[in-house]
Amino acid sequence: GIQVEQSPPDLILQEGANSTLRCNFSDSVNNLQWFHQNPWGQLINLFYIPSGTKQNGRLSATTVATERYSLLYISSSQTTDSGVYFCAVARNTDKLIFGTGTRLQVFP
Amino acid sequence: DAGVIQSPRHEVTEMGQEVTLRCKPISGHNSLFWYRQTMMRGLELLIYFNNNVPIDDSGMPEDRFSAKMPNASFSTLKIQPSEPRDSAVYFCASSLGFWAFFGQGTRLTVV
Repeated sequence: GIQVEQSPPDLILQEGANSTLRCNFSDSVNNLQWFHQNPWGQLINLFYIPSGTKQNGRLSATTVATERYSLLYISSSQTTDSGVYFCAVARNTDKLIFGTGTRLQVFP
Repeated sequence: DAGVIQSPRHEVTEMGQEVTLRCKPISGHNSLFWYRQTMMRGLELLIYFNNNVPIDDSGMPEDRFSAKMPNASFSTLKIQPSEPRDSAVYFCASSLGFWAFFGQGTRLTVV
């Protein structure tokens, strides 16, 4: 099956800093999503981005499908950005496979 | 729409007991997924349905686990008998197309 690796596993930032999270996947995909799991456990979808670039406020994402990676950018981080960020992919099915996540802690 | 609704939010049960987790997907969504999250294994897909039909149950860990979707608005995940290693957070998600929306999860503790 498809392997999904995320880096770094942990990230500690001070408020206002920028960060880049990476997702590598082992096969071609036609579905890639980024999720944020907040400290209360809720999984919230951020982007559907199988290719190209999208932006939503302070967050943006870029997927280079030919090179099998995706990046999530967080600018001017806030304490509310804390949590775990997951990349999830699927190939020709609805079956989303999740990466191991990046745990982000933002301190004031 | 209220989103994906799961019940109960928390469940504590004794080893050997039957546990039933419930999920109401978002109205109009045609795919439904059950995931399990643990520290050791992360988020694992257990089973998914499309138009109420089970499509892939290869992630179901053992015969003790079963899932049903009798209609488009309801699904259950049953564990019988439950064991301590089943303790985890179980998520239900639904989608129409590529966007998947998750419920708040059921935290199961088997003692």
